[in-house]
Amino acid sequence: GNSVTQMEGPVTLSEEAFLTINCTYTATGYPSLFWYVQYPGEGLQLLLKATKADDKGSNKGFEATYRKETTSFHLEKGSVQVSDSAVYFCALSGVKTSYDKVIFGPGTSLSVIP
Amino acid sequence: EAEVAQSPRYKITEKSQAVAFWCDPISGHATLYWYRQILGQGPELLVQFQDESVVDDSQLPKDRFSAERLKGVDSTLKIQPAELGDSAMYLCASSTRDHYGYTFGSGTRLTVV
Repeated sequence: GNSVTQMEGPVTLSEEAFLTINCTYTATGYPSLFWYVQYPGEGLQLLLKATKADDKGSNKGFEATYRKETTSFHLEKGSVQVSDSAVYFCALSGVKTSYDKVIFGPGTSLSVIP
Repeated sequence: EAEVAQSPRYKITEKSQAVAFWCDPISGHATLYWYRQILGQGPELLVQFQDESVVDDSQLPKDRFSAERLKGVDSTLKIQPAELGDSAMYLCASSTRDHYGYTFGSGTRLTVV
């Protein structure tokens, strides 16, 4: 079936360090890919998305490229801040139809220390 | 900025009691989703509505959970009777028919004691 795998956390980085959170997916069709962020006690917010192969999504200094050949959508940021501490979820949708449910990975917790 | 409204924000209930959650999607969004997020895991879909019709409830425990969206606008998710394992965050989301503007609410944190 369709699924998303993420690197396990928690990830702890110092402020201004480089961030990579790996994400790979399995899907029978051509999904759209997403990164969501969840701050403590809050709901999920869409961070960025890509809808077709080789698309790059970017937002707030984060970016991820849709790699069909490696079925990956790794999240990167060049210099993290304390305010980036949150749980990050890789997700996919739109395998069958454009309004398919979103399938989430297990999440990766990020802590950024000053 | 338009938001998906959910209430209550927190709910504590005793096992075997009934509990209900409410969601008001963004105006004009035809598709509404209820997700359950167990602590430390990603959200999992419970039920998806397209207007007032259920299009996916394959993961909804129908012996105790029910959901409705009578007029194709707001929605209610009910659990009766609640069990200890139902403790989780219940998230509502909505989107346009073609998936644009997919937005989550802040969720209802349920604790069953």
